[in-house]
Amino acid sequence: SYVLTQPPSVSVAPGRTARIPCGGNSIASKSVHWYQQRPGQAPVLVVYDDTNRPSGIPERFSGSNSGNTATLTITGVQAGDEADYYCHVWDNSGDLRVFGGGTKLTVL
Amino acid sequence: QLRLQESGPGLVKPSETLSLTCTVSGGSINSRPYYWGWIRQSPGKGLEWIASITYSGDIDYNPSLRSRVTISVDTSKNQFSLKVTSVTAADTAVYYCARQDSRPDKPFHDWGQGTLFTVSS
Repeated sequence: SYVLTQPPSVSVAPGRTARIPCGGNSIASKSVHWYQQRPGQAPVLVVYDDTNRPSGIPERFSGSNSGNTATLTITGVQAGDEADYYCHVWDNSGDLRVFGGGTKLTVL
Repeated sequence: QLRLQESGPGLVKPSETLSLTCTVSGGSINSRPYYWGWIRQSPGKGLEWIASITYSGDIDYNPSLRSRVTISVDTSKNQFSLKVTSVTAADTAVYYCARQDSRPDKPFHDWGQGTLFTVSS
């Protein structure tokens, strides 16, 4: 089955740019979605179809997808962005929804 | 505003069956060909997709759980449900219900708040 690989943690200073990678075989051929999950809360969709933002999500959140890596980028990181972030794709070989292992973003 | 709410007993004994229901409000479960899904999260762990169903009954299962889970939809009650049989401690998790846009490659746009189910004797 398809595997998505995320680093367990990423740290960034306030105001800087955070980049969270999501690796997968030829992931560029898939639509990648990203979720933010704050402690004790349900996940919230922040980027879908590689680069699109749902309404209400700040422009600071953006996505890209190329080759074997998709990336969630958060510019001007704020303390409130500290959360776990998950990538998600559809594995069409088995009609599976696949999540990455998640990345904990720490704002220093 | 669409709202999803999970319900069911919070505690289940090992080897028993866990039954969960997701009640959808603020929209009809059969108004469009959405996928309605279940995702779980074991304590301190990541998200695991369990199963998805459309209002017309098209179903996808995670192969790792397929032998023990059944998903169903009740359009008359605007609900969908999940049963997990022969539970063990490994099934202890927060269970979320969620709505996925009209194709299986689309995102889970709306989520319930999640509910913790514990397997313990």
